[in-house]
Amino acid sequence: AQSVTQLGSHVSVSEGALVLLRCNYSSSVPPYLFWYVQYPNQGLQLLLKYTSAATLVKGINGFEAEFKKSETSFHLTKPSAHMSDAAEYFCAVSLTGANSKLTFGKGITLSVRP
Amino acid sequence: EAGVTQFPSHSVIEKGQTVTLRCDPISGHDNLYWYRRVMGKEIKFLLHFVKESKQDESGMPNNRFLAERTGGTYSTLKVQPAELEDSGVYFCASSLGTLNTEAFFGQGTRLTVV
Repeated sequence: AQSVTQLGSHVSVSEGALVLLRCNYSSSVPPYLFWYVQYPNQGLQLLLKYTSAATLVKGINGFEAEFKKSETSFHLTKPSAHMSDAAEYFCAVSLTGANSKLTFGKGITLSVRP
Repeated sequence: EAGVTQFPSHSVIEKGQTVTLRCDPISGHDNLYWYRRVMGKEIKFLLHFVKESKQDESGMPNNRFLAERTGGTYSTLKVQPAELEDSGVYFCASSLGTLNTEAFFGQGTRLTVV
């Protein structure tokens, strides 16, 4: 079985500051890892995914995440926050890729202060 | 190209009533998934269709929930009779039938049982 832990429910940063959203996973087999974002009144949108290729994954809107097997982590970062990054972010894991069930973390709400 | 469409966007029903949620996947996507997020909790997998067949229904909470995908196109999720604990946001997603493909999510249906 797999699981995802996203500590905390809310992160607040200033515009232009570093964004760091943490995700730890547990999986009995090498996992596929995902970050999704949900903007207000919209569906979930894929930010990036790790599928056992490069450990540093670049996604849309300047986000990236690094897969660290030794730490069982897949933290999401962005060097400089923008007001439009305010949203809820979900880390997810699956065993066989996007065409199987995803196990999500609880989600983290990111606020960006002017 | 249209994305994943869900309706209604909101539904408020009384305990004991029946509600049917509908999901129209992206055209050509054989894989269709239902997920649910109860307030304050994780987004949880309900089931997975491949075309009209149920590939995995391990997340369905009980027999008050019935999902169908007749003809392998749109899907419905019926809750009968609805209970208070069924309240939450129901997400639908679809993907192509191969590994490493993205699952595209709809905006969700917010169900409130009173």
